[in-house]
Amino acid sequence: AQRVTQPEKLLSVFKGAPVELKCNYSYSGSPELFWYVQYSRQRLQLLLRHISRESIKGFTADLNKGETSFHLKKPFAQEEDSAMYYCALSEGNGGATNKLIFGTGTLLAVQP
Amino acid sequence: NAGVMQNPRHLVRRRGQEARLRCSPMKGHSHVYWYRQLPEEGLKFMVYLQKENIIDESGMPKERFSAEFPKEGPSILRIQQVVRGDSAAYFCASSHDSLSNQPQHFGDGTRLSIL
Repeated sequence: AQRVTQPEKLLSVFKGAPVELKCNYSYSGSPELFWYVQYSRQRLQLLLRHISRESIKGFTADLNKGETSFHLKKPFAQEEDSAMYYCALSEGNGGATNKLIFGTGTLLAVQP
Repeated sequence: NAGVMQNPRHLVRRRGQEARLRCSPMKGHSHVYWYRQLPEEGLKFMVYLQKENIIDESGMPKERFSAEFPKEGPSILRIQQVVRGDSAAYFCASSHDSLSNQPQHFGDGTRLSIL
């Protein structure tokens, strides 16, 4: 069954510390992986996707098919990074729909 | 472009009443997705619609729930005879097409509370 697992409900770090938000997935095909972010009082928005291989706001994520992981990383956390982060999966171009399967989310709290 | 618009933002219903949630997709988007988020859980897919067609309703409960996306007007998620367990945040997302590399843009959600 398709599944996305985010093992940490809360991750608290100090400003300037490295951040790694974990995401593991279970899917038999070739999925597309995404990270969505929800800042306080804002709507859910796309942060980055693995096919773009880009860095957004200093965040990067590499798809590791061997470990079925898509961890989100940033070398130096900033207070404005505090938010709820969701990892999500879609079926990829072989799928009939673009529905997203979400993890339960990790709340990142960056302390001053 | 105001983005995906959902209304109402908050909806309170008593058990047994009907709830209607509306979603206007982004301009130029003809694909709409509904997700439900129960407390302490992630978003769960419910239904995917294109104009006038339900494409995938595999996440919809078999009873009391229905969705439509008419040719004119917003997409509607309808819940009949609501129960306490329907209390959740309901999110709508839209995309330009169904390719997986087309990002979904989300609305602010409707928070449904059942008394």
